[in-house]
Amino acid sequence: DAKTTQPNSMESNEEEPVHLPCNHSTISGTDYIHWYRQLPSQGPEYVIHGLTSNVNNRMASLAIAEDRKSSTLILHRATLRDAAVYYCILRGFSGSARQLTFGSGTQLTVLP
Amino acid sequence: NAGVTQTPKFRILKIGQSMTLQCTQDMNHNYMYWYRQDPGMGLKLIYYSVGAGITDKGEVPNGYNVSRSTTEDFPLRLELAAPSQTSVYFCASSSPGHSYEQYFGPGTRLTVT
Repeated sequence: DAKTTQPNSMESNEEEPVHLPCNHSTISGTDYIHWYRQLPSQGPEYVIHGLTSNVNNRMASLAIAEDRKSSTLILHRATLRDAAVYYCILRGFSGSARQLTFGSGTQLTVLP
Repeated sequence: NAGVTQTPKFRILKIGQSMTLQCTQDMNHNYMYWYRQDPGMGLKLIYYSVGAGITDKGEVPNGYNVSRSTTEDFPLRLELAAPSQTSVYFCASSSPGHSYEQYFGPGTRLTVT
């Protein structure tokens, strides 16, 4: 599976935008980029996913570089509730692709 | 919908004991998964199932067994528990589709002493 690289930790101030980067230089043409987050003492929850174009939903935006070797998860106004570990995951369509391979993610701290 | 439910929430086992972690989903999802998460680490896939009667190994299957007799249930069996199996266990489910979005349960925290 293609791998992703994320910073171990990031800080943000409450009500400010947060940009969480992810590098995936070995991404293949059929790999989707998924983001999940894990709040303290909870299971992971889906945030957003995309293939080539930028995507928006009620939780966040996903900006994908033109060469697809990197992407950025954007939280438009961070709240204290957004403090979590954020995982950037590549998922393709090969036989084992229904699985998600979690790295260690980025621990986001939101400061009041 | 309750989503994905897991029981028990917490359990302490002695070395060599066995137990079954229960997982049920009410979303009629074909795919179900078991992950484990060690402290400070990401999740690792233990087993998964693409439908009733079909299971397959993930990244770390040793010491575990699964069965899938119904769409709703996907129990994980630990035989001869070892301290290395101390972890938080998450069950998840998803349906076929372009997103394969996985829905996770709240987890079972297991300690083996």
